[in-house]
Amino acid sequence: DQQVKQNSPSLSVQEGRISILNCDYTNSMFDYFLWYKKYPAEGPTFLISISSIKDKNEDGRFTVFLNKSAKHLSLHIVPSQPGDSAVYFCAASNYGGSQGNLIFGKGTKLSVKP
Amino acid sequence: DADVTQTPRNRITKTGKRIMLECSQTKGHDRMYWYRQDPGLGLRLIYYSFDVKDINKGEISDGYSVSRQAQAKFSLSLESAIPNQTALYFCATSQKGQGAGELFFGEGSRLTVL
Repeated sequence: DQQVKQNSPSLSVQEGRISILNCDYTNSMFDYFLWYKKYPAEGPTFLISISSIKDKNEDGRFTVFLNKSAKHLSLHIVPSQPGDSAVYFCAASNYGGSQGNLIFGKGTKLSVKP
Repeated sequence: DADVTQTPRNRITKTGKRIMLECSQTKGHDRMYWYRQDPGLGLRLIYYSFDVKDINKGEISDGYSVSRQAQAKFSLSLESAIPNQTALYFCATSQKGQGAGELFFGEGSRLTVL
């Protein structure tokens, strides 16, 4: 049974608008969450993370929101740029970010159109 | 040069053959991981190692073995490859302590088992 779910396989957004990628989880023991971005023929790269003691973390155009009661997190990209077109993976850990044993979602393919 | 290097990048083999995928890193990280990506299934952890004498099974270790030959080298072996091991394999590294969830991935090794 999937513990980290990304229910939207794909998302298309116009350049300059906001992209919102969603992720749900079922394991209440998860206490650290991350987003990775993957371009074709490359390995995933770390984007942003959030600890369960926070509800928001911001890094430039990227903001992650965590709603623990709903077991839901989202990644906001504002403004979206064509270079943001990639597959985005949500990942979770129950080691407080101190280990790399992550549970990944299936990914959401974001397309940002000029 | 890539910080995390995987060889080979592509391999086609036959059922029953022994295959080794190699990973080397120049990041100086103690922790190394092998993940597998299947279409539509995200990434799943096969094995991980926190130092040279430490080997741990991940979510899907059956049919695989690993060897941590040195701090910088971590190899994955398929003793007798089968078609459902056809996948994209990623090696990753991370630092110790807080921030260990931030993985640095290689570019991947695509394995096809006929």
